[in-house]
Amino acid sequence: KAGVTQTPRYLIKTRGQQVTLSCSPISGHRSVSWYQQTPGQGLQFLFEYFSETQRNKGNFPGRFSGRQFSNSRSEMNVSTLELGDSALYLCASSLLTGRRGYEAFFGQGTRLTVV
Amino acid sequence: AQKITQTQPGMFVQEKEAVTLDCTYDTSDPSYGLFWYKQPSSGEMIFLIYQGSYDQQNATEGRYSLNFQKARKSANLVISASQLGDSAMYFCAYKTGANSKLTFGKGITLSVRP
Repeated sequence: KAGVTQTPRYLIKTRGQQVTLSCSPISGHRSVSWYQQTPGQGLQFLFEYFSETQRNKGNFPGRFSGRQFSNSRSEMNVSTLELGDSALYLCASSLLTGRRGYEAFFGQGTRLTVV
Repeated sequence: AQKITQTQPGMFVQEKEAVTLDCTYDTSDPSYGLFWYKQPSSGEMIFLIYQGSYDQQNATEGRYSLNFQKARKSANLVISASQLGDSAMYFCAYKTGANSKLTFGKGITLSVRP
């Protein structure tokens, strides 16, 4: 079956702009989580969506937002981009049922560069 | 505070040998899950192995096994018969509660020498 798909793979934006990243989870998975990965801070949890509701949120400013659609696809938006937002953004989907239901399967990520 | 620690510097191993990557965690929650992921230079996080806090036996997945020592709060990954394709960053992570949030360690770089 198809894995987690993130689009676009690469993105270059200018400071002050906004950006929207997309994540299509594995079919049947209803939980989607987003992570930011930078060399300095490592992997940090942004937020989790389950059945179109945000269930958990990391310690990021309000410029970072997301949503989930009825088909479980999720989008992440960053407004008023700053240079420090340059990172690899990873999306993970989980089934959340069964013994191994909490396994998170990741997409290949979107590499965002803010100039 | 809950945290997860990977303190080893870059690791090197000879092809076909075994290697152990260390991970310690700190959580007060009695129910938790421990994960190891591999991240090659392409960026994708690849799931390797999972261990639940109540699992009686150490988890194994092919060449990967998890040396789970609950009292010491350690969850070391053992890779047997290393292959050149094992060269990558390896992350230990844990989760607690019913949500999907993973807390990651800083990662360890593994280089396999021919």
